[in-house]
Amino acid sequence: KQEVTQIPAALSVPEGENLVLNCSFTDSAIYNLQWFRQDPGKGLTSLLLIQSSQREQTSGRLNASLDKSSGRSTLYIAASQPGDSATYLCAVGRVQGAQKLVFGQGTRLTINP
Amino acid sequence: GAVVSQHPSRVICKSGTSVKIECRSLDFQATTMFWYRQFPKQSLMLMATSNEGSKATYEQGVEKDKFLINHASLTLSTLTVTSAHPEDSSFYICSARDVYGYTFGSGTRLTVV
Repeated sequence: KQEVTQIPAALSVPEGENLVLNCSFTDSAIYNLQWFRQDPGKGLTSLLLIQSSQREQTSGRLNASLDKSSGRSTLYIAASQPGDSATYLCAVGRVQGAQKLVFGQGTRLTINP
Repeated sequence: GAVVSQHPSRVICKSGTSVKIECRSLDFQATTMFWYRQFPKQSLMLMATSNEGSKATYEQGVEKDKFLINHASLTLSTLTVTSAHPEDSSFYICSARDVYGYTFGSGTRLTVV
């Protein structure tokens, strides 16, 4: 059974800092991995999608990496801003039943002005 | 990008009544949609996979008679919480798979009083 873990559960940093969020998964046979952002009481916004054959994806100040062999992914946020404050979720798409996602518990990020 | 519209965003109902939540893909056809449930400060738990024109597939432990799912067209899936009780109060989110990955609705906050 695939399990996804995100560390830390919460993170608070000053504005302008670069930061890394971590995601680990137990079964390396994944279809893809996706990072989402969730604001309080809202749905999920897709940030980056990495296919199993890819090593990383970039969008603006965000960079996500994937290391299937070690079961890890990281989300790097450069030059953090207060507007980046949200909960960040990583989700793994399973190979078997490939369309289903298994979510981590999320990292609650606070950027202090 | 792809858009998934979910309604209502909030609903309060009396115990014993039924509530219907709609999930629509606005600019693409979704043969498969997913329904998740999220408790406060917890991650998303997949409840069921909704397939257009066929019966939904429920995850283990989800009562199919309580959570009725209908996927009558390629753009609409509905979740009906039947005979709702206070323990059904939660945040429900739908999603659909598209070429960009997974797109999520904005969620429905259900409160059963």
